[in-house]
Amino acid sequence: SYELAQPPSVSVSPGQTASITCSGDKLGDKYAFWYQQKTGQSPVLVIYEDNKRPSGIPERFSGSNSGNTATLTISGTQAMDEADYYCQTWDSSTVIFGGGTKLTVL
Amino acid sequence: QVQLVQSGAEVRKPGASVKVSCKTFGYTFSNYYLHWVRQAPGQGLEWMGIINPRSGSTTYAQKFQGRVTMTRDTSTSTVYMELTNLRSEDTAVYHCARGGRVAATENALDVWGQGTVVTVSS
Repeated sequence: SYELAQPPSVSVSPGQTASITCSGDKLGDKYAFWYQQKTGQSPVLVIYEDNKRPSGIPERFSGSNSGNTATLTISGTQAMDEADYYCQTWDSSTVIFGGGTKLTVL
Repeated sequence: QVQLVQSGAEVRKPGASVKVSCKTFGYTFSNYYLHWVRQAPGQGLEWMGIINPRSGSTTYAQKFQGRVTMTRDTSTSTVYMELTNLRSEDTAVYHCARGGRVAATENALDVWGQGTVVTVSS
């Protein structure tokens, strides 16, 4: 079965750039989606179709997807961005989630 | 405004069943797929399956096949997820989430319900 791998944790200083990776076999041939989940809240879609931002998502959130790796980039990271981030794709008509990455803004 | 409003918390004993509802607002119910995703305490997101509200057809994750049933009521714009033969490992928050337009699959889950806590304990 298809799997997506994410680092369990990433740390970043306020104002710096955070990059969260998501790896899967030929992931670049599929669409990647990213969700932000703050403690005690439901997930929120922040990137769809590799690099598109839903309305209301700040411009500092961007995405890319090539080869075996999709990347979520947060430029000028703010304290409010501290959350768990999940990548997601589709394989054989089923939804696959990565294990999630805890972003800490120190 | 698109909203998904779920039913309240449930407590069940092992071996029992639970049925969670997800009522939709603010869009044409039959035009978008609906997913169910669960999250065990301290764990990641786990996809359970998808329902086409127009036809009622479903696809379930292999892990849940035989134990999960997703249905819909078009008169109330509500979808349901029933999980049977519950065990302690099914203790989780269960979310419904809107997917892409019907007949345009492999889209994002763009709006999520608030989640329903299901606790399985003897």
